Amino acid sequence: NAGVTQTPKFQVLKTGQSMTLQCAQDMNHNSMYWYRQDPGMGLRLIYYSASEGTTDKGEVPNGYNVSRLNKREFSLRLESAAPSQTSVYFCASSEVGAKTSYEQYFGPGTRLTVT
Amino acid sequence: AQKITQTQPGMFVQEKEAVTLDCTYDTSDQSYGLFWYKQPSSGEMIFLIYQGSYDEQNATEGRYSLNFQKARKSANLVISASQLGDSAMYFCAMRMKGAQKLVFGQGTRLTINP
Repeated sequence: NAGVTQTPKFQVLKTGQSMTLQCAQDMNHNSMYWYRQDPGMGLRLIYYSASEGTTDKGEVPNGYNVSRLNKREFSLRLESAAPSQTSVYFCASSEVGAKTSYEQYFGPGTRLTVT
Repeated sequence: AQKITQTQPGMFVQEKEAVTLDCTYDTSDQSYGLFWYKQPSSGEMIFLIYQGSYDEQNATEGRYSLNFQKARKSANLVISASQLGDSAMYFCAMRMKGAQKLVFGQGTRLTINP
């Protein structure tokens, strides 16, 4: 099993350009997540999808859109990139249910630079 | 709102010593889970250990243990017999019962010196 995969690994954009970050998981998880990681700030949730067909905003959703294409795939789109969106982006997936013990499995990350 | 605080931006420890990484949390919920993740310089996030709020025993996983003090709202990670490969960022995180998301702390950078 590949677990959680993300493409691309690195990307440089100019201000105002758009792009889509792709994420796929092969663990049959219902929930998927997009985080951004900035120095000194830990991981902050951008959007998540509890199940196929649903998406919800996280802590820092402004400037982003998401699509849960099917159970396996969850994409993150930047419509008009800004330098403040320079960050490392992580996709994650997990089981969902009443238990608190479901860990999240993370992809390798995408390092995005906006100039 | 839930919050995780990791007050140690950086820690330096000699190889083979034990190390404790601090984590305090703030929540009014009674049912929650606490997680620790390791992020080496290669960037991936690796799950280390989990503690449930109703678990009576402290969690252990190999050289990792979690010192859970519910009344003090702390969930410190203890790494015994540290190794050079333990050098990494370490994140504490929390999930409430019924919630989807994890709330992360700012992280602690651990450096193991030979």
